[in-house]
Amino acid sequence: SQKIEQNSEALNIQEGKTATLTCNYTNYSPAYLQWYRQDPGRGPVFLLLIRENEKEKRKERLKVTFDTTLKQSLFHITASQPADSATYLCALDSGGSYIPTFGRGTSLIVHP
Amino acid sequence: DTGVSQNPRHKITKRGQNVTFRCDPISEHNRLYWYRQTLGQGPEFLTYFQNEAQLEKSRLLSDRFSAERPKGSFSTLEIQRTEQGDSAMYLCASSNRQSSTDTQYFGPGTRLTVL
Repeated sequence: SQKIEQNSEALNIQEGKTATLTCNYTNYSPAYLQWYRQDPGRGPVFLLLIRENEKEKRKERLKVTFDTTLKQSLFHITASQPADSATYLCALDSGGSYIPTFGRGTSLIVHP
Repeated sequence: DTGVSQNPRHKITKRGQNVTFRCDPISEHNRLYWYRQTLGQGPEFLTYFQNEAQLEKSRLLSDRFSAERPKGSFSTLEIQRTEQGDSAMYLCASSNRQSSTDTQYFGPGTRLTVL
C-alpha cells in the first residue's frame, strides 16, 4: 500500500543551524511533492513545490530536494530561527486526480 | 482578508446531534477540498469539488458525512448523528487548477468536539 513516512519524533536544533527534515515514500509515483508548514490550531500553509523532474528548489532560506530513485525528499531550513518552530508536512500527488496525500508531519523546535 | 475562511472555528456538540460547517474559499478558486485532521496526523482527504460538481466523495468517512457546494462558491460539510470518534479538526482548502500542479490554500479549520 502507499505510504508516506515523516519522522514522528520532534527535531530539536539550535538557532542558526540548518534544520533538515525527511519525507520518504513507498509504492507511489508522485508527479510532484509539496511541503507545508502548520502551526498549532491553524491550517497548513504552502511553502514549496517540486516536480518529479526537478532535483532541487529554493526559496529564501528554504531548500527542497527530490530523489525519485531513493523515493525521498529533504527539506532544509538554513539559519533557523525560533519563529521557524512548527510542524512541517509533506504531501505527494500523482498528478492525475490532484488529490494530495499528506504525511503526518515532523515537529521542528528551534531553541534560542 | 481574501484567504479561505471557515465557520465556526470551534463546535462542541453532544453525541447524536447533527453539525454543519461552512467554508468560503478564495473567490477565484474553482476547487474546494475538505479534510479531517486528528492529533499527530496529517490532513486526511474527505472530498472535493470542482466548481459545483463533487468529483470525489468515496473517501467520506461514512454515510453520515455529506458535503455540498450549491453555486460553486461556498461549501458546507454536514455530519449527522455525531459520534465521539468524529472529534477532530475539519479543514477546508481551495485551489485554482489551471496548471499541471495544484497548490492548496487552507482555512483555519473548525475544531469539533463531540461529548
